[in-house]
Order: sequence, then structure tokens, then C-alpha cells
Amino acid sequence: GAVVSQHPSRVICKSGTSVKIECRSLDFQATTMFWYRQFPKQSLMLMATSNEGSKATYEQGVEKDKFLINHASLTLSTLTVTSAHPEDSSFYICSARAPRSGRLYGYTFGSGTRLTVV
Amino acid sequence: GIQVEQSPPDLILQEGANSTLRCNFSDSVNNLQWFHQNPWGQLINLFYIPSGTKQNGRLSATTVATERYSLLYISSSQTTDSGVYFCAALTWAGGGADGLTFGKGTHLIIQP
Repeated sequence: GAVVSQHPSRVICKSGTSVKIECRSLDFQATTMFWYRQFPKQSLMLMATSNEGSKATYEQGVEKDKFLINHASLTLSTLTVTSAHPEDSSFYICSARAPRSGRLYGYTFGSGTRLTVV
Repeated sequence: GIQVEQSPPDLILQEGANSTLRCNFSDSVNNLQWFHQNPWGQLINLFYIPSGTKQNGRLSATTVATERYSLLYISSSQTTDSGVYFCAALTWAGGGADGLTFGKGTHLIIQP
């Protein structure tokens, strides 16, 4: 239980184009989802909190106009990287808080999306 | 916000050895988790352990909340244990709608 699915797993796009990443909770409802970014050999940094039916909350230093977040349903959040540039190349991971289920309670993560902007 | 520090940053061991990874955090926590990130980037949830001790096979974890640290033990290491181990924590200032803060990780290499 408590599975988060993320697509695509890998995407290469041209500079200036936009890319959409989907994050779905498969077997539970998630009113809140989280988006993280990870540069090579570094830790995960929280970018934004996605709230179902309302605006996302962005961490300091994250451009809300570049990273558009939509949480249209209780099982789907999307992150759109707009007008992508090579410096946006990174590993993006989504997360949701799993419902209480024994030792699995806590936050569960998608498999990540490796974005390369050329 | 909460600060999370992990040590050591790198650890190289021979297969069969035991290891202890440490996580210090700066505030009381409502959630503390240990993850293993595999070479493909997937974060595998090892333990949800804001306090107490848990064991799962060769892995175990202990969190001493009053002293603000957690330890991850790996016994009889195998090459498949290699990867990056992250500790992540949060304090529920926002009623449970906050994201985790990650440490910088411990890069573990198990040599055959």
C-alpha cells in the first residue's frame, strides 16, 4: 500500500520548452503532496507543497512562475517546468504522506523524474 | 526550520562488516525517517521512527528523541546495501502539512 507513481521517469527537452511531470497516489488520497529537487551527489531540497484545490506553497528561492504546480484532484499533482533552461536539469521527486499503516506510516516517494534540458 | 546533519558523509566497508550511521536533528520531531536511495534514484523507505527502536532483518534503527539523534545500524553488510542513506525529519508547525527536511546523506560503499 501507499504507492506514489511518478511519470515520466526520464525526459529530455529543448531549451525554451515546457515539461510536465505527473505524481499520482495510487491507493490512497493525498490532500497534500510535495515536490523535491535533487542535484547530482546532493541532498533533496523541498521546492513546494501542493495543496488539493488551492494554490501551492513555494519554498524561499523557488520561482513560482517557472515551476507551476497543479493539484486538481486528491490523487494527482503535476509540476510543469516552464521555459526550461539547462540549469533546470535535475532530478525531481514527488512525495505524499501515506496513511497510517504500521511501519509504513510516514512520507512515501515517487520514483523520480530525471530532466535534461539541451 | 529544523536542521538535519548526518555522519559520516562517506563510508567504505568490506562485505560482512557492520556499520552505524548517525543523524542529528536540531529540534523535537514529529516525523523521522531513514531512506536508502538506490542507483536509479528511487527512495526506499527503511524506517519511520520518530522515537524508539525498530528492526527489519539486518537493519535496525534507534531514535533518542530527548537527545535529538537517530542511528541506523546495518549488520552483515552486502554489496547490495551500497548507496546513499538519507535521514529526514520534520516538526509539525503547520498541522501536518509540512515537507521533510533531508540531511546530506551518507554514501555507503560495500566492497566484495
